[in-house]
Amino acid sequence: EPEVTQTPSHQVTQMGQEVILRCVPISNHLYFYWYRQILGQKVEFLVSFYNNEISEKSEIFDDQFSVERPDGSNFTLKIRSTKLEDSAMYFCASSPGTGIGTSTNEQFFGPGTRLTVL
Amino acid sequence: KNQVEQSPQSLIILEGKNCTLQCNYTVSPFSNLRWYKQDTGRGPVSLTIMTFSENTKSNGRYTATLDADTKQSSLHITASQLSDSASYICVVLSIKAAGNKLTFGGGTRVLVKP
Repeated sequence: EPEVTQTPSHQVTQMGQEVILRCVPISNHLYFYWYRQILGQKVEFLVSFYNNEISEKSEIFDDQFSVERPDGSNFTLKIRSTKLEDSAMYFCASSPGTGIGTSTNEQFFGPGTRLTVL
Repeated sequence: KNQVEQSPQSLIILEGKNCTLQCNYTVSPFSNLRWYKQDTGRGPVSLTIMTFSENTKSNGRYTATLDADTKQSSLHITASQLSDSASYICVVLSIKAAGNKLTFGGGTRVLVKP
């Protein structure tokens, strides 16, 4: 069964460094998402991406964050200058579409990347 | 502000027993409500999805209910197994033209003991 994959599974970085988290969505999906979950807290929406542009972003997704679909398969989240509070699990998700039917708007989640900022 | 609240925060049950988790939401526009199971350190996995017109949906030993009038949902786990130990997250979907948006509850952490 197709699944969303993410690399690396765990990333440790120094404060102020740039990190790139990578995701390979399910191949025929058109909508892509990033979420984060700080330890012990709710999953929070960061950004949605469609047709090579951001369709929606949350207040968390500030100028330090950017997303890209550089080749037709990867979907990346870049944090330009990491802060201690960026430490969290980052989940990528994809969905076939956004229609009313639940089969088209179901989001499938990857296993996550644990980011630790020291 | 869109919110999803879950109760209880955590729950310990004995293997073989049943339990019910609660979810209240204030999300607009409402498209559907999902229950996810999240094992520690893993991504959420969908258990059930219910639209406005559905009152109940089952997936094996998991049964979800939805009351769209009172904006409440529940997830019932029957004959719990040790593998049911996880966080159960209630999530509401809003559909917008540019993409859909999920609002997550804080989850109920369930621990099943032998």
